[in-house]
Amino acid sequence: KNEVEQSPQNLTAQEGEFITINCSYSVGISALHWLQQHPGGGIVSLFMLSSGKKKHGRLIATINIQEKHSSLHITASHPRDSAVYICAVKRVSGGSNYKLTFGKGTLLTVNP
Amino acid sequence: NAGVMQNPRHLVRRRGQEARLRCSPMKGHSHVYWYRQLPEEGLKFMVYLQKENIIDESGMPKERFSAEFPKEGPSILRIQQVVRGDSAAYFCASSRTNNQPQHFGDGTRLSIL
Repeated sequence: KNEVEQSPQNLTAQEGEFITINCSYSVGISALHWLQQHPGGGIVSLFMLSSGKKKHGRLIATINIQEKHSSLHITASHPRDSAVYICAVKRVSGGSNYKLTFGKGTLLTVNP
Repeated sequence: NAGVMQNPRHLVRRRGQEARLRCSPMKGHSHVYWYRQLPEEGLKFMVYLQKENIIDESGMPKERFSAEFPKEGPSILRIQQVVRGDSAAYFCASSRTNNQPQHFGDGTRLSIL
């Protein structure tokens, strides 16, 4: 079992819909990242969070440390939100707290 | 304020050749991380460097792969005698300290013929 699991793997939505992508992890962490990757493109860091909730524009990220779970929400989705969304955790383990462990990503397609 | 710069964006090599991938971190960042993204797989940690020092290379294959981050100039990931299985996207990230967010480059897509 992977240390970081994302669901769903693929998600298709209509423009304007509310999107939720989930991330569960099984290790102790100091922080969790949400990243965005467009096909053939680079990686953009959307959020880094260690507790609670963060909001940036139409994007909201939440984390529940006790349940080892995080969600990324997109409100009023738009075709330009189509991308792979990746959850990554920074583990707390004996001096290697810089390493990121990644989920396999969720491919989001938003149709007009 | 330029972000993390990687070059080349695309690199084609024949089996047995050498591949050199470059990464210039963001200004003020002295921590560099290399990750590999194999087709249909997630990103995997390879190596973490601070200026002139390799801190952790536990994710890097022991043979043919090496990394450096000299006092002057970009970080280099070097792959000798490339094989088909080395075809992947290689991403570099940098941070100001190892507790601060990592900023990623656009990656180098390596194709082996």
